[in-house]
Amino acid sequence: ETGVTQSPTHLIKTRGQQVTLRCSSQSGHNTVSWYQQALGQGPQFIFQYYREEENGRGNFPPRFSGLQFPNYSSELNVNALELDDSALYLCASSLSWSSYNEQFFGPGTRLTVL
Amino acid sequence: AQSVTQLDSQVPVFEEAPVELRCNYSSSVSVYLFWYVQYPNQGLQLLLKYLSGSTLVKGINGFEAEFNKSQTSFHLRKPSVHISDTAEYFCAVSGAGTALIFGKGTTLSVSS
Repeated sequence: ETGVTQSPTHLIKTRGQQVTLRCSSQSGHNTVSWYQQALGQGPQFIFQYYREEENGRGNFPPRFSGLQFPNYSSELNVNALELDDSALYLCASSLSWSSYNEQFFGPGTRLTVL
Repeated sequence: AQSVTQLDSQVPVFEEAPVELRCNYSSSVSVYLFWYVQYPNQGLQLLLKYLSGSTLVKGINGFEAEFNKSQTSFHLRKPSVHISDTAEYFCAVSGAGTALIFGKGTTLSVSS
């Protein structure tokens, strides 16, 4: 059984650019959640997708957007990058949307904004 | 709104000693509670979770945690740690919704 995978592993962008991060969910999982983990901090919830629809959003501006595809893989898009967007971005998949379902995390994408 | 406070940012301990990582939460509704571990350059792995029932929860790698509703705590314990337990540990809470709310983490450093 393949776990959650994310690409790319590392990424360097400059301020004002746009970035797309990708996540493949674990087999059988229809829910994907995205988190931002700044250096020395715990992960912060960005949003969740359940069966291709956004199903909850944290306190992040609209320039953070996402998609979920019919195979339940997902993308996180960030427009107009700012220096504070530098972080580890974690994707997690689960069997369904409710928080009592275990979320399985990928290894993350390290984004550096210069 | 829910929040999580991990009371110790760093916990140094010698191998084979017991350890307790402290977590307090704040919530106006019933919660689910979780402990995750993060090894360097890896994602998070679930150690254990409390959903309901027995307040003493056993997890992987010999860890356990006790849910204390009156003290709003969910402390993580291990009776004897190994070098391989060196990692970042995160306590997380969730209500009936979708999001996990994480604490800032505790760095456990085990030395010989």
